[in-house]
Amino acid sequence: GAGVSQSPSNKVTEKGKDVELRCDPISGHTALYWYRQRLGQGLEFLIYFQGNSAPDKSGLPSDRFSAERTGESVSTLTIQRTQQEDSAVYLCASSLGWGTATDTQYFGPGTRLTVL
Amino acid sequence: AQSVTQPDIHITVSEGASLELRCNYSYGATPYLFWYVQSPGQGLQLLLKYFSGDTLVQGIKGFEAEFKRSQSSFNLRKPSVHWSDAAEYFCAVGESAGKSTFGDGTTLTVKP
Repeated sequence: GAGVSQSPSNKVTEKGKDVELRCDPISGHTALYWYRQRLGQGLEFLIYFQGNSAPDKSGLPSDRFSAERTGESVSTLTIQRTQQEDSAVYLCASSLGWGTATDTQYFGPGTRLTVL
Repeated sequence: AQSVTQPDIHITVSEGASLELRCNYSYGATPYLFWYVQSPGQGLQLLLKYFSGDTLVQGIKGFEAEFKRSQSSFNLRKPSVHWSDAAEYFCAVGESAGKSTFGDGTTLTVKP
């Protein structure tokens, strides 16, 4: 079946502009995660959605970052007033179960964000 | 706080040679450990995971990893590397629901 998809694949924006990144999880997956991967580094957890529960936003780096998810479907990550340090690949993942550590996360291809 | 260290930023091996990628972690309880591979233009793919039980874990693509509690390590191995294994490899510790701490990755180059 279809995997996790993300759009756009690449986004170039000017400093100060807002951007929206989209993630379509695997159908039926109740958990959804956003990560940031800076060049040459590992993944940083940003936010986690589980069903209709309140999202875990503990990884969001600043109040310029926000994310929404409608039910168990698509999620959008919004970055307001982008800064050059926001340049990174933003990865989305989904998992079937309740998001426990034993779940297998399936990752999308990522959105490469470049802030000029 | 938990952390993951991958000491080797870049490793080069010849095709057919054996491979070992190192991973050390710091974690206050029994760790949930993962290895992922990221190939150019592709998303991260889970190679294997350890939760409990047998400390030698088998994964996909002929990879295995061994959990050594005394050394706080979870090294990834493959007996014979193929050119298609060239990629970046990430070790991760799952701390709670979906929140994993990742290492900075090891880039594997395979020489013909």
